[in-house]
Amino acid sequence: KAGVTQTPRYLIKTRGQQVTLSCSPISGHRSVSWYQQTPGQGLQFLFEYFSETQRNKGNFPGRFSGRQFSNSRSEMNVSTLELGDSALYLCASSAHRSDTQYFGPGTRLTVL
Amino acid sequence: DQQVKQNSPSLSVQEGRISILNCDYTNSMFDYFLWYKKYPAEGPTFLISISSIKDKNEDGRFTVFLNKSAKHLSLHIVPSQPGDSAVYFCAASHNSGNTPLVFGKGTRLSVIA
Repeated sequence: KAGVTQTPRYLIKTRGQQVTLSCSPISGHRSVSWYQQTPGQGLQFLFEYFSETQRNKGNFPGRFSGRQFSNSRSEMNVSTLELGDSALYLCASSAHRSDTQYFGPGTRLTVL
Repeated sequence: DQQVKQNSPSLSVQEGRISILNCDYTNSMFDYFLWYKKYPAEGPTFLISISSIKDKNEDGRFTVFLNKSAKHLSLHIVPSQPGDSAVYFCAASHNSGNTPLVFGKGTRLSVIA
């Protein structure tokens, strides 16, 4: 089975712009979670989607949003980018909400 | 408030010896724990998990121990190999995995040949 794929792998944006990141889960997986990894904070939970519905949301401002499509693919969007949004954004999928999560390679976002 | 703590940012071990990575948690509601390994430029890779109904789980060279009374878990790697050099993250959740994973900040393991 193919693993979790994320596109793009690298992205450079400037402050104030917006960005959309994409995640394709492992085939058959219906739960998708997003995490932000920064050197100082480690991995922090952004949100979780299951069956196109947001099930959990982390402690991030409303500039961070996401959605899930009927084929379980997910996107996350960050509007009005700030320098502090520079991070590795990781997507993880699992077959069901309580199953082990498997991570993609991440999207490295740099905000200048 | 950090609910999952990995107090050692780094650890060096000689090849063939045992590596012990530690993790402490503060939330007594956590009932499911996992370890992930991460190489640079890759996403975390699942290693091993343990439910709070157990105190030990083994998978090959990897063993995770859970001490609920101390709110402590550890990952033992025996024997350590150079390919084990990576950052190791401890993660926890409650409601048997139905809540988001809370991660520690990671421990960088270096296995020296």
